[in-house]
Amino acid sequence: AQKITQTQPGMFVQEKEAVTLDCTYDTSDQSYGLFWYKQPSSGEMIFLIYQGSYDEQNATEGRYSLNFQKARKSANLVISASQLGDSAMYFCAIRNAGNNRKLIWGLGTSLAVNP
Amino acid sequence: DTGVSQDPRHKITKRGQNVTFRCDPISEHNRLYWYRQTLGQGPEFLTYFQNEAQLEKSRLLSDRFSAERPKGSFSTLEIQRTEQGDSAMYLCASTPLGFYGGNEQFFGPGTRLTVL
Repeated sequence: AQKITQTQPGMFVQEKEAVTLDCTYDTSDQSYGLFWYKQPSSGEMIFLIYQGSYDEQNATEGRYSLNFQKARKSANLVISASQLGDSAMYFCAIRNAGNNRKLIWGLGTSLAVNP
Repeated sequence: DTGVSQDPRHKITKRGQNVTFRCDPISEHNRLYWYRQTLGQGPEFLTYFQNEAQLEKSRLLSDRFSAERPKGSFSTLEIQRTEQGDSAMYLCASTPLGFYGGNEQFFGPGTRLTVL
């Protein structure tokens, strides 16, 4: 069975600084995908970044980058130059290689950006 | 196309009542997912459709829950005899068949259910 662990229930960061949100995963699949989503207080899930298990380079999307360490089974999200609008819940998720392609989610990390 | 829509956005009901939620996926998306998210938790998978066929149901989906996707378009999730433990955000997502990598699952805004 697949599992995602996010050990930081809450994080604080000063505006314009960088922050790393931790995510470790457990899977026996060789092929899998890792996702990060942002969930503001309004509730919608906003896709941020994706890393495939066979991708050799760390994924980047604007201010978001994924520090993928396959041997350690970690996929940490790095947000550079934090903005007040980054305050939200952040979820790490893994997609299995099966036909259903459902996502298995972590508990999330609440990020607060201080002015 | 404006993305995945869900209706209603909020629902307050009394314990024991039945409720039904609707999800309209992006029109060309074959796959549709329902997730449940309780307060302070990550989403949990409930069920999955490919076109009109319901291919997987989580054990979380008790016999009080039923989901349908007639004609492979919109989907409904019905909860019978609601309990206070059913209070949660119900999220719907759709995915185009054969697409991997990146923004695969497009999420709707969710339906927030409160059972009094």
